[in-house]
Amino acid sequence: QQQVKQSPQSLIVQKGGISIINCAYENTAFDYFPWYQQFPGKGPALLIAIRPDVSEKKEGRFTISFNKSAKQFSLHIMDSQPGDSATYFCAARGDDMRFGAGTRLTVKP
Amino acid sequence: DAGVTQSPTHLIKTRGQQVTLRCSPKSGHDTVSWYQQALGQGPQFIFQYYEEEERQRGNFPDRFSGHQFPNYSSELNVNALLLGDSALYLCASSLVRVPDTQYFGPGTRLTVL
Repeated sequence: QQQVKQSPQSLIVQKGGISIINCAYENTAFDYFPWYQQFPGKGPALLIAIRPDVSEKKEGRFTISFNKSAKQFSLHIMDSQPGDSATYFCAARGDDMRFGAGTRLTVKP
Repeated sequence: DAGVTQSPTHLIKTRGQQVTLRCSPKSGHDTVSWYQQALGQGPQFIFQYYEEEERQRGNFPDRFSGHQFPNYSSELNVNALLLGDSALYLCASSLVRVPDTQYFGPGTRLTVL
């Protein structure tokens, strides 16, 4: 069922570094691409989202880059902090929301 | 303002049993979606309820059923439990006119032995 492929599975970054998570999709009917952040014992929380008519969206330290022709999008976390350590999910919405498998990010102090 | 709440937090059942999970949406929200999140995986869409009716359904068998009440709260029922049903079950609420913005609850951890 999963039509969104996410990589890497896990990522370790030093404090202050840039974290980059990538996703690829297949269905060109997807029209909304959110990223969710999930802490242990919590449900996913919407972090930032983009629509396919925009190539980049920035909110604070978080940026989504979107490449419609390649059917890929990525999340960049600038100046990564230990508090950013969580699991990140990309998703894509068509008839329903399809999630990637997740990336466990660890930011070392 | 309470966010999305789910009960119970944890649940242990044995194969073949039936289970009911409950969800109260964020105040003002009218749409409830249910997701299954297996360990180490992303959430998978089960179904969505609006106006007490199932609007959309993912690729889940009929053993999974749901209900939405007039106060917008919702239940997820799973019959004839299998070991593979062990997962975190997430409820998400939204407004039908703003479907992109979903708020997730903390989930119910179901273990089937």
